[in-house]
Amino acid sequence: QKEVEQDPGPLSVPEGAIVSLNCTYSNSAFQYFMWYRQYSRKGPELLMYTYSSGNKEDGRFTAQVDKSSKYISLFIRDSQPSDSATYLCALRPSGNTPLVFGKGTRLSVIA
Amino acid sequence: DTEVTQTPKHLVMGMTNKKSLKCEQHMGHRAMYWYKQKAKKPPELMFVYSYEKLSINESVPSRFSPECPNSSLLNLHLHALQPEDSALYLCASSQVQGGGIYGYTFGSGTRLTVV
Repeated sequence: QKEVEQDPGPLSVPEGAIVSLNCTYSNSAFQYFMWYRQYSRKGPELLMYTYSSGNKEDGRFTAQVDKSSKYISLFIRDSQPSDSATYLCALRPSGNTPLVFGKGTRLSVIA
Repeated sequence: DTEVTQTPKHLVMGMTNKKSLKCEQHMGHRAMYWYKQKAKKPPELMFVYSYEKLSINESVPSRFSPECPNSSLLNLHLHALQPEDSALYLCASSQVQGGGIYGYTFGSGTRLTVV
């Protein structure tokens, strides 16, 4: 079993839809949870960062962490064509261990 | 300045060439990273520098040689590459190794084609 599992998609939704992106993980040592957005031919940009179970909201984006189930989610409300990108979850334990990335989910929001 | 700047943006090189990729940040970050990303794949860690010292080498072939001349600069020297080394090479930095409280900041990458 890989450390981090993420459905690669592709996922195609109409504009205005609510999008749910998910990752599961097996290593209970993971303490920090991030979501990166990567547009085509660009570097990943940090979208959301959380280190505890629960929800964190930023505008149209909500990150959710359930440590007991080892499951993290990113919700996008009122999705826009500009949200079309690949979304990567990234996790790490405490200390200086590098990030572990999921495979990324390709999202297309159709106008 | 909240950016990581990578040059060049595109590079085409022959298998016998020697070239270098450059990365620069002025955020005071003390950890810098090189990643390799193939199409439709997540970034793969190559090297980590922490306080200008090589901290992690993920068993990368010796045809890739990293260098950290100072806390703001990171180079990746390339020599005798193979066509399968063609990829997007990403540089990233963070406050401290591991990410600190702000995660990693990535550059836009250098798209390398080996012919």
